[in-house]
Amino acid sequence: DTGVSQNPRHKITKRGQNVTFRCDPISEHNRLYWYRQTLGQGPEFLTYFQNEAQLEKSRLLSDRFSAERPKGSFSTLEIQRTEQGDSAMYLCASSLIGESAFNEQFFGPGTRLTVL
Amino acid sequence: SQQGEEDPQALSIQEGENATMNCSYKTSINNLQWYRQNSGRGLVHLILIRSNEREKHSGRLRVTLDTSKKSSSLLITASRAADTASYFCATVARMDSSYKLIFGSGTRLLVRP
Repeated sequence: DTGVSQNPRHKITKRGQNVTFRCDPISEHNRLYWYRQTLGQGPEFLTYFQNEAQLEKSRLLSDRFSAERPKGSFSTLEIQRTEQGDSAMYLCASSLIGESAFNEQFFGPGTRLTVL
Repeated sequence: SQQGEEDPQALSIQEGENATMNCSYKTSINNLQWYRQNSGRGLVHLILIRSNEREKHSGRLRVTLDTSKKSSSLLITASRAADTASYFCATVARMDSSYKLIFGSGTRLLVRP
């Protein structure tokens, strides 16, 4: 399977715990994006990388959130001291750089986080 | 508020009928994209239309873009039960000195067999 993969698919944690999610993009894609989606809403942009450089961070991304893409391949998203409001689906996507500012993005299946 | 807003929020049609979903946005865009999401799954890219294009086709999909009205529509012809999903428009626009891809809240389409 050469699509975008995310692990774990589901995560249940207690408030105050730290969690880390992993995303493996399509191998030749140089851009990688993280989104958060709550029930009944569209995805909200969190951050994106071009190769290993983090180029943009949303104001939604508080200091408790950090993302890395150390070798320009897979990425991790960590949430420290989780809060109930962090419960959501966390989506990862990847794309190639192309003619348009943002090209077609390929999404992974997401990681559903539940904070108790 | 969201850059892109879809209308209607929910749509229920009979298999074989056409489904039309609309998207309105507020600022100038570089391009507009439509995505589909089946329940609890990731999004699938359907079509991208650039700001200098007015219409695009892909199989049973037809997308129009009217930059003067800041609106787009997605038409699915001869719908099938498998088209049941949520459909999102996403606009690529320059905000705060960088480009962003911003999704609307989606249209939930139900195609009854």
